[in-house]
Amino acid sequence: DAGVIQSPRHEVTEMGQEVTLRCKPISGHNSLFWYRQTMMRGLELLIYFNNNVPIDDSGMPEDRFSAKMPNASFSTLKIQPSEPRDSAVYFCASSHARTGQRTYFGPGTRLTVT
Amino acid sequence: EDKVVQSPLSLVVHEGDTVTLNCSYEVTNFRSLLWYKQEKKAPTFLFMLTSSGIEKKSGRLSSILDKKELFSILNITATQTGDSAVYLCAATRNQFYFGTGTSLTVIP
Repeated sequence: DAGVIQSPRHEVTEMGQEVTLRCKPISGHNSLFWYRQTMMRGLELLIYFNNNVPIDDSGMPEDRFSAKMPNASFSTLKIQPSEPRDSAVYFCASSHARTGQRTYFGPGTRLTVT
Repeated sequence: EDKVVQSPLSLVVHEGDTVTLNCSYEVTNFRSLLWYKQEKKAPTFLFMLTSSGIEKKSGRLSSILDKKELFSILNITATQTGDSAVYLCAATRNQFYFGTGTSLTVIP
């Protein structure tokens, strides 16, 4: 099992540019989570999907952030336009009821917006 | 292959017991090890360990890192029902390697 796959691993971009982060959950998992980690706030849940449907997006900071899950094996988190305060590590994680909702985290995408 | 393994997978104890959670890692160019407590939404940061042999404490929780034997432990003394959660550890270098967590249940 490859685990949760995220790409890119690192992204450096200029303020105002669009950034797209990608995630492939573990095959068979039906819940997918996007988190953001910063020094100031620690880990924050941005949004989570269940069976490809967004269930709770109350953690999405503002309209510049959007997330999609077009199918069970792929999700994107888009920031447009990006700002320096978006610099953080973004994690994707997945789980399934049969794993007791144990959450499996991806390696993260380190985003730097200059 | 870089990996992090946590044990035990799950644990059920009575209030007042002391528990020790284990996290072993094999990560090249290791930088630090982090412990999180996950209850509902996002995991809560507990400790970051970078130096071997130096214990970090926060109330009833403490943790230590052994960079020679490549493991860390998280101790919780006088457990309370509020300690029930999944405890995650993650080893970092340029990216994070998470373990699958230890599910702790504290029974009154």
